Amino acid sequence: KAGVTQTPRYLIKTRGQQVTLSCSPISGHRSVSWYQQTPGQGLQFLFEYFSETQRNKGNFPGRFSGRQFSNSRSEMNVSTLELGDSALYLCASSLRGMETQYFGPGTRLLVL
Amino acid sequence: DAKTTQPNSMESNEEEPVHLPCNHSTISGTDYIHWYRQLPSQGPEYVIHGLTSNVNNRMASLAIAEDRKSSTLILHRATLRDAAVYYCILRLYNTDKLIFGTGTRLQVFP
Repeated sequence: KAGVTQTPRYLIKTRGQQVTLSCSPISGHRSVSWYQQTPGQGLQFLFEYFSETQRNKGNFPGRFSGRQFSNSRSEMNVSTLELGDSALYLCASSLRGMETQYFGPGTRLLVL
Repeated sequence: DAKTTQPNSMESNEEEPVHLPCNHSTISGTDYIHWYRQLPSQGPEYVIHGLTSNVNNRMASLAIAEDRKSSTLILHRATLRDAAVYYCILRLYNTDKLIFGTGTRLQVFP
């Protein structure tokens, strides 16, 4: 079974731009979660989608948004990028929720 | 707020047991304790989880204190491939969110 894939793997943007990251979950998994990882704050939960609905949300500003498609693939969008948004963005999938999660390799975003 | 506390780093020699501690004094009765590890340049990988009783799987054992305010991840025989950052995580029952700790960086020496 193929693992969780994330595209792109690396991205460089400038302040004020917006970015869209993509995540393809393991086949059959319906829950997709997104996390931000930085050296200063560690791993922080962004949001979770299940069956195309946002089911859970972390403490991030509204500039961070996401969606899930009928095939369970998910996208995350960050608008009006700030320097502090530079991070590794990780996507994880699971069958139903926060039981065993399978993480992708992440997208490393650098904001200049 | 729920949180976990772990030592920043630990060292071990190959083929020796490793005990990675975690304090979670704010845990509630229905929160699960999960452990994940993150190898260099990879996403985190599930290791084990438990609620009240000690748990074993092919990767590790999880020992949970009777009052559930602490737990210990046990690697029975460390290998060089076990060098990673180990995260102790609370899975909150009421919100189903994962609260990650800062992690313990484990170094394994040959």
